[in-house]
Amino acid sequence: GAVVSQHPSWVICKSGTSVKIECRSLDFQATTMFWYRQFPKQSLMLMATSNEGSKATYEQGVEKDKFLINHASLTLSTLTVTSAHPEDSSFYICSASVLAGGHSYNEQFFGPGTRLTVL
Amino acid sequence: RKEVEQDPGPFNVPEGATVAFNCTYSNSASQSFFWYRQDCRKEPKLLMSVYSSGNEDGRFTAQLNRASQYISLLIRDSKLSDSATYLCVVAGGFKTIFGAGTRLFVKA
Repeated sequence: GAVVSQHPSWVICKSGTSVKIECRSLDFQATTMFWYRQFPKQSLMLMATSNEGSKATYEQGVEKDKFLINHASLTLSTLTVTSAHPEDSSFYICSASVLAGGHSYNEQFFGPGTRLTVL
Repeated sequence: RKEVEQDPGPFNVPEGATVAFNCTYSNSASQSFFWYRQDCRKEPKLLMSVYSSGNEDGRFTAQLNRASQYISLLIRDSKLSDSATYLCVVAGGFKTIFGAGTRLFVKA
């Protein structure tokens, strides 16, 4: 299947710093990339949907000024957690999909995730 | 009511057992359905899509009941390696929603 990479796989940072996470589709062009957050023993929570070349669509309750998403090409999307705080500590997972007709019906290929710990 | 609901389990079964999970969804306009598997501290991976006519892949059978708005996953002859969290995924329009997952432990 298609491969999605994420970098870094884990990061520890001090409160107040910003952290950038990269998501790359390695062998296909991803029309859409999704960013999720997962707290321990909880479900994946969609944070935002990102289409190449346009602004991301954020889910209700997700601060777009805190979680900056850039999707500059069909193979790369970045999530920047600005002014991170301990409550932002979580497992961040991206996925990539090739849409048909603009609908999210297709399989999503997930990156390995980034574990963020904010001290 | 959550948009996608699953019994969190855990289901503890012996090797060789048959186990079934259900997942209910609230949006009758949903159009695509999937089961994903997630191992501890790893990313989800697609197990199988769920078609209206039902589909089978080896020991795994998935079914969709649109009238009652639920999908199911049946695992036959459980293996130790089947231990994981199984996520129900419902998609429609521009939205994909993951269930919270059902944890399965298969024991020797």
